[in-house]
Amino acid sequence: ETGVTQTPRHLVMGMTNKKSLKCEQHLGHNAMYWYKQSAKKPLELMFVYNFKEQTENNSVPSRFSPECPNSSHLFLHLHTLQPEDSALYLCASSRALAGGGQETQYFGPGTRLLVL
Amino acid sequence: RKEVEQDPGPFNVPEGATVAFNCTYSNSASQSFFWYRQDCRKEPKLLMSVYSSGNEDGRFTAQLNRASQYISLLIRDSKLSDSATYLCVVERTGGGADGLTFGKGTHLIIQP
Repeated sequence: ETGVTQTPRHLVMGMTNKKSLKCEQHLGHNAMYWYKQSAKKPLELMFVYNFKEQTENNSVPSRFSPECPNSSHLFLHLHTLQPEDSALYLCASSRALAGGGQETQYFGPGTRLLVL
Repeated sequence: RKEVEQDPGPFNVPEGATVAFNCTYSNSASQSFFWYRQDCRKEPKLLMSVYSSGNEDGRFTAQLNRASQYISLLIRDSKLSDSATYLCVVERTGGGADGLTFGKGTHLIIQP
């Protein structure tokens, strides 16, 4: 176990639905991340939070809305998604954003999302 | 040039053989480098960090060439359980947030 949990593990939703993905880390880390992994593509960084503050939005459409209420929890709120948004959504955490190996990221198991 | 570039493979290698992967990166200011492993339908997991002097962890050896912006991973005496996708990962530097940039991965299949 890596200490990062994600729920749900699988999600099927229609384009008009609203759902939320949840991530929790039990490692005492300060930085948390959302990634999207589509077939045959590298991991795409979506959002970065450092000490609960969003430090990066990597040109993600507004139908994805992150929320970080504290350093241990990260949410990704989804609404009016498109079929091309179907992918594996991975959460990760690290002790810090950079420096001396503290940027090593630990991943949750991911949520496999299918948009119909 | 892509930020982190890897040969996607697949590499089909007989059990017991030695296999090497290469990776190039574009940001000369990057300071930290890693190899992650991702099994099918699983999350990426850290395999090893890559240090300037090169480092070894059991059957795995990682090398860094800063001048050529090149990282390598060598697996000796490969096992069936080594079958996975190996991701080359480079620290992002400068600009806003830091964090890591992931390569697309090299798919390795060890055959009995």
